[in-house]
Amino acid sequence: DVKVTQSSRYLVKRTGEKVFLECVQDMDHENMFWYRQDPGLGLRLIYFSYDVKMKEKGDIPEGYSVSREKKERFSLILESASTNQTSMYLCASSLNPLVNGYTFGSGTRLTVV
Amino acid sequence: DQQVKQNSPSLSVQEGRISILNCDYTNSMFDYFLWYKKYPAEGPTFLISISSIKDKNEDGRFTVFLNKSAKHLSLHIVPSQPGDSAVYFCAPLWEGAQKLVFGQGTRLTINP
Repeated sequence: DVKVTQSSRYLVKRTGEKVFLECVQDMDHENMFWYRQDPGLGLRLIYFSYDVKMKEKGDIPEGYSVSREKKERFSLILESASTNQTSMYLCASSLNPLVNGYTFGSGTRLTVV
Repeated sequence: DQQVKQNSPSLSVQEGRISILNCDYTNSMFDYFLWYKKYPAEGPTFLISISSIKDKNEDGRFTVFLNKSAKHLSLHIVPSQPGDSAVYFCAPLWEGAQKLVFGQGTRLTINP
């Protein structure tokens, strides 16, 4: 079974802090994604990566950056956390979305106070 | 500009009856349509998909119907069971982008 692991289930951070959300997958998938889920808005794509050291902006990249130094790890960085970044963050990976879609991690519930 | 719309935020169905979840889209380039199911405090899990060359795909209690001319798809669950209570997301993609676009989700509640 493909496993996507997000390092924290719950995080509470202060406004202005730099926040790192880590995601690791164990199936050698090339594609990795970061989404945030908010009520009534569904899942919105923040950033994605098709290969090591490669990144592309999704629909809502403002206030975020990413890092992919190794194939298995995709990190989401909040440069200066703000209260409107309080959300559920979901990481996903895939080999071929047409064949089997994405595999998601369990999510990180981030609260910025 | 929402490419994918699930206009019903919530749906309540009696156990044993049929649940029908709807999804509308605007982008005619979408090739595949996936449905995901999400329980609280868990990541979404893949449920069923359909290719744009088909109009129906069935997997056990789950059937997805696609009407390309109307840019509409629906997920039917029959019979509905309490374990089906979850949020369901419609997620189309087009082969060129290899990137899923998610709807807003519909919270399905199955009542005993």
